Amino acid sequence: GQQVMQIPQYQHVQEGEDFTTYCNSSTTLSNIQWYKQRPGGHPVFLIQLVKSGEVKKQKRLTFQFGEAKKNSSLHITATQTTDVGTYFCAGQRYGGSQGNLIFGKGTKLSVKP
Amino acid sequence: GAGVSQSPRYKVAKRGQDVALRCDPISGHVSLFWYQQALGQGPEFLTYFQNEAQLDKSGLPSDRFFAERPEGSVSTLKIQRTQQEDSAVYLCASSLTFSTSGIYEQYFGPGTRLTVT
Repeated sequence: GQQVMQIPQYQHVQEGEDFTTYCNSSTTLSNIQWYKQRPGGHPVFLIQLVKSGEVKKQKRLTFQFGEAKKNSSLHITATQTTDVGTYFCAGQRYGGSQGNLIFGKGTKLSVKP
Repeated sequence: GAGVSQSPRYKVAKRGQDVALRCDPISGHVSLFWYQQALGQGPEFLTYFQNEAQLDKSGLPSDRFFAERPEGSVSTLKIQRTQQEDSAVYLCASSLTFSTSGIYEQYFGPGTRLTVT
């Protein structure tokens, strides 16, 4: 069935280092969303990517959607302790139910001050 | 304004008991989603509604799970004859409506942590 794989599962960085998480789908996606979940919290929407090759930036965060619309990445420049949390990608496949988002297992980021 | 609220926040049930989990979406949000999140995993889709219509229930794990949204606002997820494997956080999310390109951002509630003993 439809799968969205995310790597790495965990990432430990020193404050100020960069961080990247990658998301790969077995099938073409119509769009992909990214969420952040702080420890003990609930997922919070970050961004939605729709177009092939799309790149969007939010301050230190850069999101990319692959040309084939099967992969995506989130890059954080110069991490801060406030970036700690688990980052999830969530994809919607073509032809699937409009409401059915497939979440990856997430990348848990820890930042050492 | 008020976000998505869920109640109860924590529920302990003995195996075999029935439970009902409530979700109050953001006022005016057309779409409502239920997810199950096991420890250390991503949310897994259970079902979703557009207004009162349940358009997809393909993620419900068994016929012991039932969801409703009779008036297109508050929703209830019911689990009958709970089993230990039902222990998880149940997240509810709502969104304003669907865009032509897919889904508007989903606003998640704090979740209900269900523990079945």
